[in-house]
Amino acid sequence: EAGVAQSPRYKIIEKRQSVAFWCNPISGHATLYWYQQILGQGPKLLIQFQNNGVVDDSQLPKDRFSAERLKGVDSTLKIQPAKLEDSAVYLCASSLDSERGWNTGELFFGEGSRLTVL
Amino acid sequence: QQQVKQSPQSLIVQKGGISIINCAYENTAFDYFPWYQQFPGKGPALLIAIRPDVSEKKEGRFTISFNKSAKQFSLHIMDSQPGDSATYFCAASRSSTLGRLYFGRGTQLTVWP
Repeated sequence: EAGVAQSPRYKIIEKRQSVAFWCNPISGHATLYWYQQILGQGPKLLIQFQNNGVVDDSQLPKDRFSAERLKGVDSTLKIQPAKLEDSAVYLCASSLDSERGWNTGELFFGEGSRLTVL
Repeated sequence: QQQVKQSPQSLIVQKGGISIINCAYENTAFDYFPWYQQFPGKGPALLIAIRPDVSEKKEGRFTISFNKSAKQFSLHIMDSQPGDSATYFCAASRSSTLGRLYFGRGTQLTVWP
């Protein structure tokens, strides 16, 4: 079974530039998440989608971050304009269905997209 | 505010020894406590998880101990192997929002051969 695919793996930009990350979840997984992992810290949830609807975006800095999940499959996360503190690994994860019970809520993470803002 | 506090930040263990990582939480609404393992350049992967209706869960060499009254839980790795060298994260969430995980800061485990 193919895992969660993310691209690009690495991106270096200057502050105030924009960047976009792409995620393809595991086939059949209804729930998709974007987590931000700053060096030396645990991942922090940015946004959660159930199919193509947003469930939780309370931690998303909406003045600069946006995300969409068209057709309930692939998702993109965009940052515009980027700040130095946005340097982090952006992890995409998917789960079968987070609302059906804890044995179907396991998150499967991709390898992440490492962003460096200079 | 750190919802889940994890210690130690780093741990060095001899091969065959026991590795112990501790976590504490404040929110009594949490009822799902997973541990994730992360190798360099990879995403976190679920290792083992526990619900508060049991005090211990064991899977192979990995055991979670849970103390509901103290709001603490820990991961024990028995017979630690060099292949266990990785960063371990504890996390917590509510079963109504399983994917909304609050992670600890992580523990970098090194197992010397």
